[in-house]
Amino acid sequence: KAGVTQTPRYLIKTRGQQVTLSCSPISGHRSVSWYQQTPGQGLQFLFEYFSETQRNKGNFPGRFSGRQFSNSRSEMNVSTLELGDSALYLCASSLEAKLAGGPMGYNEQFFGPGTRLTVL
Amino acid sequence: QKEVEQDPGPLSVPEGAIVSLNCTYSNSAFQYFMWYRQYSRKGPELLMYTYSSGNKEDGRFTAQVDKSSKYISLFIRDSQPSDSATYLCAMSQSGGSNYKLTFGKGTLLTVNP
Repeated sequence: KAGVTQTPRYLIKTRGQQVTLSCSPISGHRSVSWYQQTPGQGLQFLFEYFSETQRNKGNFPGRFSGRQFSNSRSEMNVSTLELGDSALYLCASSLEAKLAGGPMGYNEQFFGPGTRLTVL
Repeated sequence: QKEVEQDPGPLSVPEGAIVSLNCTYSNSAFQYFMWYRQYSRKGPELLMYTYSSGNKEDGRFTAQVDKSSKYISLFIRDSQPSDSATYLCAMSQSGGSNYKLTFGKGTLLTVNP
């Protein structure tokens, strides 16, 4: 079974440009989450999509946006790039949509290899 | 104060040592506690998860959660060079927010042969 795939793997942009990153979840997975990983801040949650709807959102400015398509593939977009946006962007997918709590309520997330974005 | 604090290390141990990794947190709403392992140039992979307080063992790995102290630990017994990686603790709440993982910054572990 193929894992989560992200394209492109590496990207170099200049300040002020915009960028679109793509994520293909594991087949059958309907939830896709995005994270930003930097040495200074670690892994930070950006947003999560389920059935083409943004269900959870982290504390990032509006320059960061995303969407999900009917086949569960997702894209995230960063507009007006800043130097501080240089990071590894990770996508994670999850199969279940368990909303109940309890020991069986956890939805395991499977991460892709990430897209390394460098802003010059 | 960050919601999740993790000692970044680095931690260097000889092969066969017992490794202890820890995180503290401040949000009492966290219900799920995970440990991820991340190799260089790879995405994180889930090692173990625990619901609420208690211990969980899987082979050489043991996860402990103490919700009263807001403290979680991962123990690695008989550590191997292949265990060399960054270990990340992560936590989430119940319900629809359980997709939002809050991570520690990660501890870089090196196991020397």
